[in-house]
Amino acid sequence: SQQGEEDPQALSIQEGENATMNCSYKTSINNLQWYRQNSGRGLVHLILIRSNEREKHSGRLRVTLDTSKKSSSLLITASRAADTASYFCATDVKDSNYQLIWGAGTKLIIKP
Amino acid sequence: DVKVTQSSRYLVKRTGEKVFLECVQDMDHENMFWYRQDPGLGLRLIYFSYDVKMKEKGDIPEGYSVSREKKERFSLILESASTNQTSMYLCASSPAGRAVRNSPLHFGNGTRLTVT
Repeated sequence: SQQGEEDPQALSIQEGENATMNCSYKTSINNLQWYRQNSGRGLVHLILIRSNEREKHSGRLRVTLDTSKKSSSLLITASRAADTASYFCATDVKDSNYQLIWGAGTKLIIKP
Repeated sequence: DVKVTQSSRYLVKRTGEKVFLECVQDMDHENMFWYRQDPGLGLRLIYFSYDVKMKEKGDIPEGYSVSREKKERFSLILESASTNQTSMYLCASSPAGRAVRNSPLHFGNGTRLTVT
């Protein structure tokens, strides 16, 4: 069963705008990870946020984690055409055998 | 940079064939994983291995087996391919041992398998 659910399923914005994607999950986690996948390629790790962290930054990326609401958001600021991709969250569930649980992804399209 | 290499980008096989998907990583990672990815379903774990000759079933192991004879290589085997195994297959590795959390996965570029 899927733990992480991304919202929205698809997002189309103009270049230069900010893009926000959300991820909700159901059980306690050790950490939550965000990945990007360009069309037809493998996934690339973006950010890992631990359960005791609330916010993390990496370049134009900002991730927040609210464990009380069991949700996370990924913000991409000043979007570029190269940010067009699918974005996935994955949760490392507590007391599991190190299986990451994946959401179905958000497809982001940046219009030039 | 970590490199995870999958032997084929595209593969077309016939129903009933035995199919081997190979994955090699060059960073001495303990953990290796095989996922399949289907539209709207995200990634589903088939098998993973946290050490040579060790394997554990993921969520959907039926119809698949794996082999890890060397640390750098993790093979996925479809014993008798069926059309419902048409999918994108992704291999990944991570440096953490079984008891260590907080390590991201490094993915190969995927193998798009079509079974006709």
